[in-house]
Amino acid sequence: DAKTTQPPSMDCAEGRAANLPCNHSTISGNEYVYWYRQIHSQGPQYIIHGLKNNETNEMASLIITEDRKSSTLILPHATLRDTAVYYCIVSRRNSGNTPLVFGKGTRLSVIA
Amino acid sequence: EPEVTQTPSHQVTQMGQEVILRCVPISNHLYFYWYRQILGQKVEFLVSFYNNEISEKSEIFDDQFSVERPDGSNFTLKIRSTKLEDSAMYFCASSESGPANTGELFFGEGSRLTVL
Repeated sequence: DAKTTQPPSMDCAEGRAANLPCNHSTISGNEYVYWYRQIHSQGPQYIIHGLKNNETNEMASLIITEDRKSSTLILPHATLRDTAVYYCIVSRRNSGNTPLVFGKGTRLSVIA
Repeated sequence: EPEVTQTPSHQVTQMGQEVILRCVPISNHLYFYWYRQILGQKVEFLVSFYNNEISEKSEIFDDQFSVERPDGSNFTLKIRSTKLEDSAMYFCASSESGPANTGELFFGEGSRLTVL
C-alpha cells in the first residue's frame, strides 16, 4: 500500500498557484518523494522528485519539510491543462527493483 | 523527445482468448514495467523486468500473465486466458539504469483492454 496521504480533491483558480500537500510520516532516510500526474486516462507523467532539499524544475516546485514527514507540490501558475490526478509517491531511488506504488492521489481541478 | 509507445491502443476480446500487448520502450532504457488501471481505480504495479528476467511482480501477476522481450526492442505482456476482470488500461513504462537513473519512469499512453 502507498505510504502517503493526500486530500482526495482540490480546486484552484486558473493563474493562481496550486499547492498540493502530501503526508509521508513514515518515510525512511533513503526514500525519495516523487510526484507524478495523470491527465484523464493518459499514462502517468513524472513531475519532480526530491530527497530533503527543495527542488524546482520547469513544471513545478517541491517543498519538503525539515523532518521530511510532509511535502508540498507547487504549480506556480495553474492552467486548465493542469487539471489532473496528482500522485505523491515515496520510494527508494529506483534501481529497477523498486516499483513505484501509486495511491489514490489528489484530483486537482483548475477552474477558469 | 523519446517516448514509450504502446500497441494496440484499444483491444476488444472474448473471455478466454489470449491477448498480447506490445510496448516499445525508450531505446537506451534497460528497466521495463507493466502497470494496469481498472476504470476508476488506482494505477497498480504488475511486473518489472531487467536483464531479460522478471525483477519483481505483484500478486496480480499470476500464471495467466507473462512478459518477454522477444527481439531487443519490443516488450510484451501476454494474458493467456482473459477474464472479465482483466478489462483495464495497461501501461508500459521504462527507466534508465546506472548513474543517469533519476528514478523517473516514462509511461506510454496505454492499451485499453476490453474483455467481453
